[in-house]
Amino acid sequence: DAGVIQSPRHEVTEMGQEVTLRCKPISGHNSLFWYRQTMMRGLELLIYFNNNVPIDDSGMPEDRFSAKMPNASFSTLKIQPSEPRDSAVYFCASSSGTGETQYFGPGTRLLVL
Amino acid sequence: KQEVTQIPAALSVPEGENLVLNCSFTDSAIYNLQWFRQDPGKGLTSLLLIQSSQREQTSGRLNASLDKSSGRSTLYIAASQPGDSATYLCAVRSSEKLVFGKGTKLTVNP
Repeated sequence: DAGVIQSPRHEVTEMGQEVTLRCKPISGHNSLFWYRQTMMRGLELLIYFNNNVPIDDSGMPEDRFSAKMPNASFSTLKIQPSEPRDSAVYFCASSSGTGETQYFGPGTRLLVL
Repeated sequence: KQEVTQIPAALSVPEGENLVLNCSFTDSAIYNLQWFRQDPGKGLTSLLLIQSSQREQTSGRLNASLDKSSGRSTLYIAASQPGDSATYLCAVRSSEKLVFGKGTKLTVNP
């Protein structure tokens, strides 16, 4: 298996623009997690899905952030409009269950100018 | 609210040394604890997962212990190598979520 795939790997955008991050989980995994990592706050869970259904989005910073999982092999995290404080590395992870080992993608490094 | 702390934030050791990384958590009602490794610019790689009923797990030169009652875990690395240089993160699952520490950045000098 190719592991968790994220795209793009790097994104530079201007404040106010829409940003869409994409994730393909490991085939057969039914749990998917979106995290954000910054120097100040470390790694924080934004939202997670189980069987394509959002279970907990309490970590989503504000309404500018939204996430979808239209099918078992694809998820998106969208920021609209983006702000400089959204600059971070965004990771997607998947697991065969919410209590099982999570496998992380390589991350998307986002810079909002 | 679960909080996870890792001390020290950074550690530098000479090659060959045995070392211990520490992790503490505030809520002892956990399901499991994981240790991850993160290389610069890369994602996280799971090293060891300890269930709440277990006291330790071993994988090669790595040994992780868990003392749930005291809210502590340690990651022991034997005979460290320059290739072990990375950031090591501890994560605790006490609900459906993983709560991460901020990591210990390890440098093993040749």
